Amino acid sequence: AQSVAQPEDQVNVAEGNPLTVKCTYSVSGNPYLFWYVQYPNRGLQFLLKYITGDNLVKGSYGFEAEFNKSQTSFHLKKPSALVSDSALYFCAVKTNYKLSFGAGTTVTVRA
Amino acid sequence: SQTIHQWPATLVQPVGSPLSLECTVEGTSNPNLYWYRQAAGRGLQLLFYSVGIGQISSEVPQNLSASRPQDRQFILSSKKLLLSDSGFYLCAWSLDGRSNTIYFGEGSWLTVV
Repeated sequence: AQSVAQPEDQVNVAEGNPLTVKCTYSVSGNPYLFWYVQYPNRGLQFLLKYITGDNLVKGSYGFEAEFNKSQTSFHLKKPSALVSDSALYFCAVKTNYKLSFGAGTTVTVRA
Repeated sequence: SQTIHQWPATLVQPVGSPLSLECTVEGTSNPNLYWYRQAAGRGLQLLFYSVGIGQISSEVPQNLSASRPQDRQFILSSKKLLLSDSGFYLCAWSLDGRSNTIYFGEGSWLTVV
Protein backbone atom coordinates (compact mmCIF):
# COMPACT_ATOMS: atom_id res chain seq x y z
CA ALA A 1 0.00 0.00 0.00
CA GLN A 2 1.16 3.52 -0.76
CA SER A 3 1.13 5.97 2.11
CA VAL A 4 2.66 9.12 3.55
CA ALA A 5 3.21 10.11 7.15
CA GLN A 6 3.55 13.52 8.71
CA PRO A 7 5.22 12.95 12.07
CA GLU A 8 4.44 16.37 13.52
CA ASP A 9 0.92 17.54 14.34
CA GLN A 10 2.13 21.08 14.90
CA VAL A 11 5.09 23.22 13.94
CA ASN A 12 5.69 26.61 15.53
CA VAL A 13 8.24 29.07 14.19
CA ALA A 14 9.00 32.76 14.50
CA GLU A 15 8.49 34.99 11.50
CA GLY A 16 11.66 35.23 9.45
CA ASN A 17 12.98 31.86 10.60
CA PRO A 18 13.23 28.81 8.36
CA LEU A 19 10.19 26.57 8.19
CA THR A 20 10.30 22.80 7.67
CA VAL A 21 7.30 20.48 7.53
CA LYS A 22 8.24 16.81 7.49
CA CYS A 23 6.82 14.03 5.34
CA THR A 24 7.95 10.45 4.85
CA TYR A 25 6.55 8.05 2.29
CA SER A 26 6.09 4.35 1.76
CA VAL A 27 5.67 3.61 -1.92
CA SER A 28 6.47 0.70 -4.15
CA GLY A 29 8.00 1.94 -7.35
CA ASN A 30 8.50 5.59 -8.21
CA PRO A 31 6.68 7.95 -5.85
CA TYR A 32 4.54 10.82 -7.09
CA LEU A 33 4.48 13.22 -4.14
CA PHE A 34 2.52 16.40 -3.55
CA TRP A 35 2.19 19.19 -1.01
CA TYR A 36 -1.00 21.16 -0.39
CA VAL A 37 -1.91 23.98 1.98
CA GLN A 38 -5.30 24.63 3.52
CA TYR A 39 -6.38 27.89 5.12
CA PRO A 40 -9.31 27.86 7.57
CA ASN A 41 -12.63 26.94 5.98
CA ARG A 42 -11.08 26.81 2.52
CA GLY A 43 -10.25 24.14 -0.01
CA LEU A 44 -6.77 22.74 -0.56
CA GLN A 45 -4.30 24.73 -2.61
CA PHE A 46 -1.58 22.95 -4.55
CA LEU A 47 1.98 24.01 -3.62
CA LEU A 48 4.32 21.68 -5.48
CA LYS A 49 4.95 18.13 -6.64
CA TYR A 50 7.76 15.69 -7.28
CA ILE A 51 7.41 13.40 -10.26
CA THR A 52 10.95 12.82 -11.44
CA GLY A 53 14.14 14.72 -12.03
CA ASP A 54 15.74 17.22 -9.65
CA ASN A 55 15.42 16.34 -6.00
CA LEU A 56 14.78 19.97 -5.07
CA VAL A 57 11.37 21.09 -6.24
CA LYS A 58 10.30 24.72 -6.17
CA GLY A 59 6.67 25.69 -5.78
CA SER A 60 4.26 28.48 -4.99
CA TYR A 61 4.66 31.22 -2.35
CA GLY A 62 8.40 30.61 -1.93
CA PHE A 63 8.04 27.00 -0.82
CA GLU A 64 10.32 24.21 -1.91
CA ALA A 65 10.62 20.54 -1.09
CA GLU A 66 13.49 18.12 -1.11
CA PHE A 67 12.99 14.57 -2.29
CA ASN A 68 15.33 12.14 -0.54
CA LYS A 69 15.10 8.60 -1.83
CA SER A 70 17.45 7.04 0.73
CA GLN A 71 15.49 8.51 3.63
CA THR A 72 12.12 8.15 1.86
CA SER A 73 11.33 11.74 2.75
CA PHE A 74 9.80 14.74 1.03
CA HIS A 75 10.11 17.63 3.46
CA LEU A 76 8.55 21.00 2.71
CA LYS A 77 10.71 24.04 3.37
CA LYS A 78 10.62 27.80 3.30
CA PRO A 79 13.75 29.82 4.04
CA SER A 80 11.94 32.68 5.78
CA ALA A 81 8.46 32.10 7.18
CA LEU A 82 5.69 34.69 7.15
CA VAL A 83 2.77 35.04 9.54
CA SER A 84 0.53 34.47 6.51
CA ASP A 85 2.06 30.98 6.11
CA SER A 86 0.11 29.87 9.18
CA ALA A 87 -2.14 27.10 7.87
CA LEU A 88 -2.65 23.35 7.67
CA TYR A 89 -0.23 21.52 5.37
CA PHE A 90 -0.79 18.15 3.76
CA CYS A 91 1.64 15.79 2.12
CA ALA A 92 0.14 13.31 -0.34
CA VAL A 93 1.11 10.44 -2.62
CA LYS A 94 -0.64 9.79 -5.92
CA THR A 95 -1.24 6.28 -7.16
CA ASN A 96 -3.08 5.77 -10.44
CA TYR A 97 -6.04 8.11 -10.09
CA LYS A 98 -6.03 8.85 -6.39
CA LEU A 99 -4.32 11.02 -3.80
CA SER A 100 -3.72 9.59 -0.35
CA PHE A 101 -3.00 12.21 2.28
CA GLY A 102 -1.02 12.41 5.46
CA ALA A 103 -2.76 13.53 8.64
CA GLY A 104 -1.68 17.13 8.18
CA THR A 105 0.61 19.49 10.07
CA THR A 106 -0.61 22.75 11.54
CA VAL A 107 1.94 25.50 11.06
CA THR A 108 1.84 28.57 13.28
CA VAL A 109 4.16 31.44 12.50
CA ARG A 110 4.36 33.99 15.31
CA ALA A 111 5.15 37.62 14.69
CA SER B 1 -7.83 28.41 -17.50
CA GLN B 2 -9.69 25.75 -15.59
CA THR B 3 -11.98 26.50 -12.67
CA ILE B 4 -13.97 24.34 -10.31
CA HIS B 5 -17.17 25.36 -8.58
CA GLN B 6 -19.05 23.53 -5.88
CA TRP B 7 -22.23 24.46 -4.06
CA PRO B 8 -23.79 25.09 -1.70
CA ALA B 9 -20.95 26.40 0.43
CA THR B 10 -22.81 25.74 3.66
CA LEU B 11 -25.70 23.44 4.40
CA VAL B 12 -27.58 22.53 7.59
CA GLN B 13 -29.83 19.52 7.18
CA PRO B 14 -31.92 17.43 9.59
CA VAL B 15 -31.21 13.77 10.12
CA GLY B 16 -33.07 11.66 7.58
CA SER B 17 -33.29 14.39 4.95
CA PRO B 18 -31.79 14.04 1.45
CA LEU B 19 -28.56 15.64 0.27
CA SER B 20 -27.31 16.95 -3.03
CA LEU B 21 -23.94 18.65 -3.43
CA GLU B 22 -22.96 19.73 -6.92
CA CYS B 23 -19.65 20.37 -8.56
CA THR B 24 -18.76 21.57 -12.03
CA VAL B 25 -15.46 22.10 -13.79
CA GLU B 26 -14.92 24.63 -16.55
CA GLY B 27 -12.17 25.00 -19.11
CA THR B 28 -11.31 21.36 -19.69
CA SER B 29 -12.88 18.20 -21.01
CA ASN B 30 -13.03 14.62 -19.76
CA PRO B 31 -11.50 15.39 -16.38
CA ASN B 32 -11.13 12.90 -13.57
CA LEU B 33 -13.47 14.02 -10.79
CA TYR B 34 -13.31 13.34 -7.06
CA TRP B 35 -15.27 13.77 -3.85
CA TYR B 36 -13.31 13.92 -0.60
CA ARG B 37 -14.55 14.36 2.96
CA GLN B 38 -12.61 16.06 5.70
CA ALA B 39 -13.72 15.30 9.23
CA ALA B 40 -12.67 17.21 12.34
CA GLY B 41 -10.67 19.67 10.27
CA ARG B 42 -7.91 17.20 9.50
CA GLY B 43 -7.98 13.87 7.75
CA LEU B 44 -9.01 13.71 4.11
CA GLN B 45 -10.87 10.65 2.94
CA LEU B 46 -11.55 9.85 -0.70
CA LEU B 47 -15.21 8.99 -1.14
CA PHE B 48 -15.72 8.64 -4.89
CA TYR B 49 -13.86 9.21 -8.11
CA SER B 50 -14.90 9.16 -11.73
CA VAL B 51 -12.85 8.84 -14.90
CA GLY B 52 -15.78 9.38 -17.26
CA ILE B 53 -19.52 9.93 -17.61
CA GLY B 54 -21.42 7.30 -15.69
CA GLN B 55 -18.22 5.74 -14.33
CA ILE B 56 -18.14 5.98 -10.55
CA SER B 57 -15.77 4.22 -8.18
CA SER B 58 -16.58 4.10 -4.50
CA GLU B 59 -13.77 3.98 -2.00
CA VAL B 60 -15.70 3.29 1.19
CA PRO B 61 -19.14 1.84 1.91
CA GLN B 62 -21.35 4.55 3.32
CA ASN B 63 -24.59 6.42 3.25
CA LEU B 64 -23.60 8.45 0.21
CA SER B 65 -23.65 8.02 -3.56
CA ALA B 66 -22.19 9.93 -6.49
CA SER B 67 -23.26 10.49 -10.06
CA ARG B 68 -21.71 12.07 -13.13
CA PRO B 69 -24.54 12.97 -15.48
CA GLN B 70 -22.38 15.19 -17.69
CA ASP B 71 -18.70 15.29 -18.53
CA ARG B 72 -17.85 18.11 -16.14
CA GLN B 73 -20.54 17.67 -13.49
CA PHE B 74 -20.19 15.57 -10.36
CA ILE B 75 -22.95 15.20 -7.78
CA LEU B 76 -22.79 13.81 -4.26
CA SER B 77 -26.09 12.57 -2.86
CA SER B 78 -27.74 10.87 0.03
CA LYS B 79 -31.30 9.68 0.45
CA LYS B 80 -31.25 9.91 4.24
CA LEU B 81 -28.55 11.81 6.10
CA LEU B 82 -26.98 10.57 9.31
CA LEU B 83 -25.33 12.66 12.01
CA SER B 84 -22.04 11.06 11.04
CA ASP B 85 -22.33 12.56 7.54
CA SER B 86 -21.44 15.98 8.92
CA GLY B 87 -18.17 17.32 7.61
CA PHE B 88 -16.38 19.36 4.98
CA TYR B 89 -16.85 17.98 1.48
CA LEU B 90 -14.36 18.78 -1.22
CA CYS B 91 -14.79 18.27 -4.93
CA ALA B 92 -11.65 18.02 -7.05
CA TRP B 93 -10.53 17.45 -10.62
CA SER B 94 -7.48 16.49 -12.59
CA LEU B 95 -6.43 15.62 -16.08
CA ASP B 96 -5.92 11.94 -16.66
CA GLY B 97 -2.49 10.60 -15.82
CA ARG B 98 -0.70 9.86 -12.61
CA SER B 99 1.63 12.86 -12.83
CA ASN B 100 -1.18 15.37 -13.16
CA THR B 101 -2.12 17.54 -10.22
CA ILE B 102 -5.49 17.22 -8.50
CA TYR B 103 -7.10 20.63 -7.94
CA PHE B 104 -9.69 21.25 -5.26
CA GLY B 105 -12.79 23.37 -4.98
CA GLU B 106 -13.58 25.59 -2.04
CA GLY B 107 -15.58 22.96 -0.20
CA SER B 108 -19.06 22.57 1.22
CA TRP B 109 -19.76 22.51 4.94
CA LEU B 110 -22.48 20.04 5.85
CA THR B 111 -23.95 19.98 9.33
CA VAL B 112 -26.51 17.31 10.05
CA VAL B 113 -28.69 18.16 13.06
